[in-house]
Amino acid sequence: ETGVTQTPRHLVMGMTNKKSLKCEQHLGHNAMYWYKQSAKKPLELMFVYNFKEQTENNSVPSRFSPECPNSSHLFLHLHTLQPEDSALYLCASSQDGFGSPLHFGNGTRLTVT
Amino acid sequence: GESVGLHLPTLSVQEGDNSIINCAYSNSASDYFIWYKQESGKGPQFIIDIRSNMDKRQGQRVTVLLNKTVKHLSLQIAATQPGDSAVYFCAENGAGGSARQLTFGSGTQLTVLP
Repeated sequence: ETGVTQTPRHLVMGMTNKKSLKCEQHLGHNAMYWYKQSAKKPLELMFVYNFKEQTENNSVPSRFSPECPNSSHLFLHLHTLQPEDSALYLCASSQDGFGSPLHFGNGTRLTVT
Repeated sequence: GESVGLHLPTLSVQEGDNSIINCAYSNSASDYFIWYKQESGKGPQFIIDIRSNMDKRQGQRVTVLLNKTVKHLSLQIAATQPGDSAVYFCAENGAGGSARQLTFGSGTQLTVLP
């Protein structure tokens, strides 16, 4: 069992739906991240939160909206997604936001139909 | 541009043999490197890290070697076991940006043959 829990594990949504991904870390870390993992591509950093403040947004389309209410919880709100957004979405946490080891959850497998 | 790459997308080894997974990086400013293991259906799992002031670091059955001259990183797994079958990623922190986040390679699929 990892110290980072993601729900749901699988999600199928239509292009007009609105859904949210949830992440919770139990490691006492101060930084949380969203990554996108597509087949045969490197992990793509989407967002970084450090002490609840967003410090990185890697040109992610506005149809992805992150929320970090506290250092232990992170959400990714999804709306009007495209089929190419289908991927594994990984949440991670680290002690700080400056390249210390990331601890990943097991991800949410998202399929957009 | 900056990139992190692996020499081979797949690697097959016999159970009990040693495995060597290689990674090249291009950013001379990188000073922190990590190896991750990702099993099917799971998120990446931290294996071992190394800072640029070191050439070698050992863990349990794993060794990471860093050659800064040629910007090369390798992961050695001793006495490879079936449970080592997974995708292995290297990552480095020289991607720039104020937070110097990790940049990941594409991964090498390690298959352990019985």
